[in-house]
Amino acid sequence: SQQGEEDPQALSIQEGENATMNCSYKTSINNLQWYRQNSGRGLVHLILIRSNEREKHSGRLRVTLDTSKKSSSLLITASRAADTASYFCATALIQGAQKLVFGQGTRLTINP
Amino acid sequence: SAVISQKPSRDICQRGTSLTIQCQVDSQVTMMFWYRQQPGQSLTLIATANQGSEATYESGFVIDKFPISRPNLTFSTLTVSNMSPEDSSIYLCSARTSGTGEQFFGPGTRLTVL
Repeated sequence: SQQGEEDPQALSIQEGENATMNCSYKTSINNLQWYRQNSGRGLVHLILIRSNEREKHSGRLRVTLDTSKKSSSLLITASRAADTASYFCATALIQGAQKLVFGQGTRLTINP
Repeated sequence: SAVISQKPSRDICQRGTSLTIQCQVDSQVTMMFWYRQQPGQSLTLIATANQGSEATYESGFVIDKFPISRPNLTFSTLTVSNMSPEDSSIYLCSARTSGTGEQFFGPGTRLTVL
């Protein structure tokens, strides 16, 4: 079964608004990574946050991690039409070669 | 970061045949993986490709169906054997570099089985 669950499954907002996506997981992790996937294409790596970090920024992206609640959030500020994509969180487990286990993803639509 | 290429990018195959997907990474990486993404779904790990030894398969995936090779640090192949329409998916190669732990993905191979 999937390690992570993402919320919401789908999100539709107006261009310029902020978009927040949440990810919850079940077991202890080494790190958590966020990816973007445009329709039917490969995954683009957005950001990695380690288990001992609480927040990271990259451009318009802000990621938080709360290991006590086993949850993470991805915030995209000042959204653009080009941000329309599916966003996945993936957790690197402590055991077993730190293999990445993916959540179900959030489908984000930015309306012009 | 690592740049990953895959061949073919897509293919349409007949039931009962096999397809081999190639994955090339532009730098030496510690770990290589193969994932499957069924239509409208998330990614599921098939196996970890180990250099010079048998791959490590996840539950539900077996070597006879998905033989994997990794002859060196930068190249791996995944074969989808005796295909059925249920194998229609996107197959993605992934690699992780040492140090940062970041894991990168290839563009995927879109497979359709008729």
